[in-house]
Amino acid sequence: AQSVTQLDSQVPVFEEAPVELRCNYSSSVSVYLFWYVQYPNQGLQLLLKYLSGSTLVKGINGFEAEFNKSQTSFHLRKPSVHISDTAEYFCAVTLPGDGNKLVFGAGTILRVKS
Amino acid sequence: GAVVSQHPSRVICKSGTSVKIECRSLDFQATTMFWYRQFPKKSLMLMATSNEGSKATYEQGVEKDKFLINHASLTLSTLTVTSAHPEDSSFYICSAAGTGFYGYTFGSGTRLTVV
Repeated sequence: AQSVTQLDSQVPVFEEAPVELRCNYSSSVSVYLFWYVQYPNQGLQLLLKYLSGSTLVKGINGFEAEFNKSQTSFHLRKPSVHISDTAEYFCAVTLPGDGNKLVFGAGTILRVKS
Repeated sequence: GAVVSQHPSRVICKSGTSVKIECRSLDFQATTMFWYRQFPKKSLMLMATSNEGSKATYEQGVEKDKFLINHASLTLSTLTVTSAHPEDSSFYICSAAGTGFYGYTFGSGTRLTVV
């Protein structure tokens, strides 16, 4: 079964600094990968997804992620963060054809400080 | 883009009563809907998967008789928490996927408090 590891539970960063949120997955077969953002007491909003093709995926709000098959990673990056980016970020994976079930990482809280 | 509406956003109920949560896909047909539970400061735990017109498939450890899921149409799924107890208090989130899978759309969540 596949699993997702988000290595950092919290990441503090100053406004306008770059940030990287790490995500590693374990699977012996091809997967689909996702990053979601959750603001307090809200549902999840899709930031970006990798299904196939280019390994560099650009998403909303200036975020991007790179799929690295050899390192089984899908790290999320943003070159310059804003206060409004403060939220919890979840990496998720699903196996194509596996009933479309998402497996989530534990989440990383991004705290942007002024 | 795809939108999923989830209601209510917050509900407080007395112990022993039942609560129904609705999840609607507004602009697409949701062939599959998923129900998650999220504990404070924790990730999302998949409770069950429902396909339109079929019985829901529950994850191990989830009580089928307590968490009743109905997916009667391609745009509506409901989760009913029966005989709720304080330990059922949680944040419940639905998500939906259409045909030709391109991803999931999540509802805004329901904060259930059982007193």
